[in-house]
This record gives sequence, structure tokens and C-alpha cells, in this order.
Amino acid sequence: EAGVAQSPRYKIIEKRQSVAFWCNPISGHATLYWYQQILGQGPKLLIQFQNNGVVDDSQLPKDRFSAERLKGVDSTLKIQPAKLEDSAVYLCASSSNRGRKETQYFGPGTRLLVL
Amino acid sequence: AQTVTQSQPEMSVQEAETVTLSCTYDTSESNYYLFWYKQPPSRQMILVIRQEAYKQQNATENRFSVNFQKAAKSFSLKISDSQLGDTAMYFCAFGGGSEKLVFGKGTKLTVNP
Repeated sequence: EAGVAQSPRYKIIEKRQSVAFWCNPISGHATLYWYQQILGQGPKLLIQFQNNGVVDDSQLPKDRFSAERLKGVDSTLKIQPAKLEDSAVYLCASSSNRGRKETQYFGPGTRLLVL
Repeated sequence: AQTVTQSQPEMSVQEAETVTLSCTYDTSESNYYLFWYKQPPSRQMILVIRQEAYKQQNATENRFSVNFQKAAKSFSLKISDSQLGDTAMYFCAFGGGSEKLVFGKGTKLTVNP
């Protein structure tokens, strides 16, 4: 079974530029999560999708971050414009069903550096 | 809001020895799940072990076991017969009614040969 795929693995941009990250969850997984992991901290949930609907985006900075999950499969997370404090690893995870019972499987992450 | 505290930023252990990583959490919920995730330098987060709060029996997975003390809100991870491949960041995570995971800041474990 293929795992969660993410691209790109690394991205360097200048502040005020835009960037987009892509995630392909494990096949059949209905729930998809985007986490932000700042150096030295644990991951923090940005947004959770159930199929193509948003379940939780309470910690997403909506003035600059946006995310979509078209057709309930792949997802894209965008930052526009980027700030220095957005430098972090962006992790995508998926689980098979809605509910905390289900284990979340993580992708390798995208490391973003904003200069 | 739930919080997860890992009080040991870094730990080291000799190969083949046993090490215990600490985790405490704060919640008012009675039904929840707890997880330990491992994050090697390659950055892929991997589930190590999980515990359902309603189960009194401590979870075990091969060399990994937990000591779950619900009243004390403590959830420690014991790694027996440590191996070089166990070197990684270890994160404790809480899964409550909101479904999202709340992570601690992590413990960096180094296994020395």
C-alpha cells in the first residue's frame, strides 16, 4: 500500500511570494489533515478535511493560507503572501474514516524556508 | 483546551538498554486516545503505539510499551533493548472529542553504540 505522498520536499522562497504544497493521501482515506511543524515544536493542525468538506480550520491563518481538496482525494495548501514565520515543515496526514479512533498516517513533509 | 507536556527535550541511552520517555496531558474529557509517534531524521512520522483511555491494560508493541496512569494523566513510553534505529524525535499526542491530534513538543532520543 502506497503511503501519503507530498511534493515538493523542499522549497525556498522570499517573503511576500506565494507557494503551494500538494498532498496525495493513502487510497481510500476519507480524512486528510495539514499540519505545520515549526522547528523545535510538535505539529499543529492547520486544517482537516472529511472527503472534500472542511471539518476544522480553526487554526488556519485565513488571511494568507488557503487549502482545498477537490474531488475528495488530492489536496493543495497555499500560502499567499508568505511571511518569515511561515518557515516550517508542512505535514500532510490521512486516516481511513472520520474519528479519533483511526490512526493518522503521515507523509514525508515539505520543508519551507522563507527568506 | 487540551495540552500535552513532554518534560524531557533530549535523552540518550546505550544500545540494548531500556529508556522511558515521559508525557503528561491535561483534559476534562473521559474518553480519548493517546499516541506515541516517532519522527526519524528523514521526517516521516510513524505511529509507535496507541492507547485507548477506556482500556486499563497498558498497550505493548514488541519492544515498546506504555505506562498509562489515567488518574495522574500520565502516559510514558518504555523502549526495551534499544536499537540504533530508535534514534529519533518522539512525540506524544492526545486525540479527544474534536478528532484532531494535539502534540507535545517532542523528546529527542539518541541511542549510542
